[in-house]
Amino acid sequence: DGGITQSPKYLFRKEGQNVTLSCEQNLNHDAMYWYRQDPGQGLRLIYYSQIVNDFQKGDIAEGYSVSREKKESFPLTVTSAQKNPTAFYLCASSAGQGPYNEQFFGPGTRLTVL
Amino acid sequence: AQSVTQLGSHVSVSEGALVLLRCNYSSSVPPYLFWYVQYPNQGLQLLLKYTSAATLVKGINGFEAEFKKSETSFHLTKPSAHMSDAAEYFCAVSDPAGGGGYNKLIFGAGTRLAVHP
Repeated sequence: DGGITQSPKYLFRKEGQNVTLSCEQNLNHDAMYWYRQDPGQGLRLIYYSQIVNDFQKGDIAEGYSVSREKKESFPLTVTSAQKNPTAFYLCASSAGQGPYNEQFFGPGTRLTVL
Repeated sequence: AQSVTQLGSHVSVSEGALVLLRCNYSSSVPPYLFWYVQYPNQGLQLLLKYTSAATLVKGINGFEAEFKKSETSFHLTKPSAHMSDAAEYFCAVSDPAGGGGYNKLIFGAGTRLAVHP
């Protein structure tokens, strides 16, 4: 079945550590996205990528980095510069860039800072 | 810039009762609107979307939404609630001014639906 996988499901980070969240899709989608979800705040866009080897900052990119070396993969690194990283992280993809294209979401990774 | 307001962060209904979740949007261009559902500790699943083909949109699990341009609303309804409908629901509007023509979604803060026996 086609879909988006995220790993790990739960991740614990110590202060000062960088951690990388994995996102893989086999939907053959060009566009991929990373969101952060905090209680009562909906979803906020961290980074997005429309094509391989290209990505753009979203609304809350500070303290995060991404890469897009393959069409199916869009890993997110939470760096030590992110002061409040505890949150639920969601990866998504869409078939095209048009505003009518819905985004498909992965199951999420819950990151907790110890 | 586009924005989405979901009135009521928590809604509680009885099983079998009407479900009404409110969504109002602001948009300077004809909007594309979406409703997503999220079960605990899971990703978001698309319920339905409005793309200007019809004002009444039917989605999965018996949900539907009506686009009312005069009220800038896109409320989600279901005639009879089921226990399995308990989840968080997000309304989103697509922002074509997101830059570079990409599909930026603006999400509301979400409404948590509780269904009691």
